[in-house]
Amino acid sequence: EAQVTQNPRYLITVTGKKLTVTCSQNMNHEYMSWYRQDPGLGLRQIYYSMNVEVTDKGDVPEGYKVSRKEKRNFPLILESPSPNQTSLYFCASSLDSSISDGYTFGSGTRLTVV
Amino acid sequence: AQSVTQPDIHITVSEGASLELRCNYSYGATPYLFWYVQSPGQGLQLLLKYFSGDTLVQGIKGFEAEFKRSQSSFNLRKPSVHWSDAAEYFCAVGARWAAGNKLTFGGGTRVLVKP
Repeated sequence: EAQVTQNPRYLITVTGKKLTVTCSQNMNHEYMSWYRQDPGLGLRQIYYSMNVEVTDKGDVPEGYKVSRKEKRNFPLILESPSPNQTSLYFCASSLDSSISDGYTFGSGTRLTVV
Repeated sequence: AQSVTQPDIHITVSEGASLELRCNYSYGATPYLFWYVQSPGQGLQLLLKYFSGDTLVQGIKGFEAEFKRSQSSFNLRKPSVHWSDAAEYFCAVGARWAAGNKLTFGGGTRVLVKP
């Protein structure tokens, strides 16, 4: 089944403890992206990657890192999480950067930073 | 820069009644336009998309949307709502051919369905 898989689904952590949220897609998509969803704000892009080893900042990149060493994986790294990063995170992918087919989304990761 | 406004945060509709969700976008050229639905605890599922051609597009689950260039709108409609349509709906606009393509989402409209 074609899908985007995120792990974990739920995570509670403490301020300052480094964490990684994994994202993997099995559709051979070139383009991958991370969004965070907050009430009333919709989804805001954190980082995106147009291909392997090519990443760039989205609208809200502060406090996050990403890497794209393989085409299928696009992990999101929080080096020193803070409570304002408590949010629902989605990984998404599309065939290429034209986004003409829209995105395929993962099921989300709900992160709570205390 | 592109932007999307969904004026209604919540809408309550009776089962069997019609539904219309509003979406207004800002973009300098003809955009890609999308509607996604998010059921509780789930990711986002694509309902329909518009690129060009016929301004009335049909999607899954009985939804349709109409692109009106003069109003910069892309409203979503369903003639008869089912209880399973209770969800949050997001309108999104995508830039064409621009480097760093992305979808920009509206704030969402939560739909409650009364029996």
